[in-house]
Amino acid sequence: DQQVKQNSPSLSVQEGRISILNCDYTNSMFDYFLWYKKYPAEGPTFLISISSIKDKNEDGRFTVFLNKSAKHLSLHIVPSQPGDSAVYFCAATFQGAQKLVFGQGTRLTINP
Amino acid sequence: DADVTQTPRNRITKTGKRIMLECSQTKGHDRMYWYRQDPGLGLRLIYYSFDVKDINKGEISDGYSVSRQAQAKFSLSLESAIPNQTALYFCATGSRQAAGGYTFGSGTRLTVV
Repeated sequence: DQQVKQNSPSLSVQEGRISILNCDYTNSMFDYFLWYKKYPAEGPTFLISISSIKDKNEDGRFTVFLNKSAKHLSLHIVPSQPGDSAVYFCAATFQGAQKLVFGQGTRLTINP
Repeated sequence: DADVTQTPRNRITKTGKRIMLECSQTKGHDRMYWYRQDPGLGLRLIYYSFDVKDINKGEISDGYSVSRQAQAKFSLSLESAIPNQTALYFCATGSRQAAGGYTFGSGTRLTVV
């Protein structure tokens, strides 16, 4: 049972445009969500997070939106840069769970 | 030096062999995790530990065992490797206070032939 789903295995975006990565979850207990970025031959690194008490969190070019009623979150990257080309993982957890549940990942390619 | 170090980085082993993957951390985190990454399946939790005396199974623990030798060391063993254990393995650390979630190692690419 995949509790966190990233239904798009890959996404290709032109440099300078907006990249939108999507994530859906099924467990209504999840109250904290994170995005990780992974380059080849490296481990995932933390990018941005959001608590369920918020519906938006920004950090520079990265914004995460949370729609609790739809159990959906999205990561917006504006403007997209070649260095953003990587695999992005969505993850979720809840108070007391003490572990993260990850989605399948989306490979983002930024074209010059 | 990396905060979370995994050894080896790459390993090819034969079916039926025992193999150990090692992880050490300098983050001072109490929690350690082992995940495997497979194409299309993302990161799946194998085992996790909250301190030296605490070991918990994850969603795919069959065929694996772990040892928490010290707060900073957490090793993963495959007692008798099989080809479908070919994957990328990641160790991660975390703490209750870490709002950024986990710190991951660089991974071990394991191939079982």
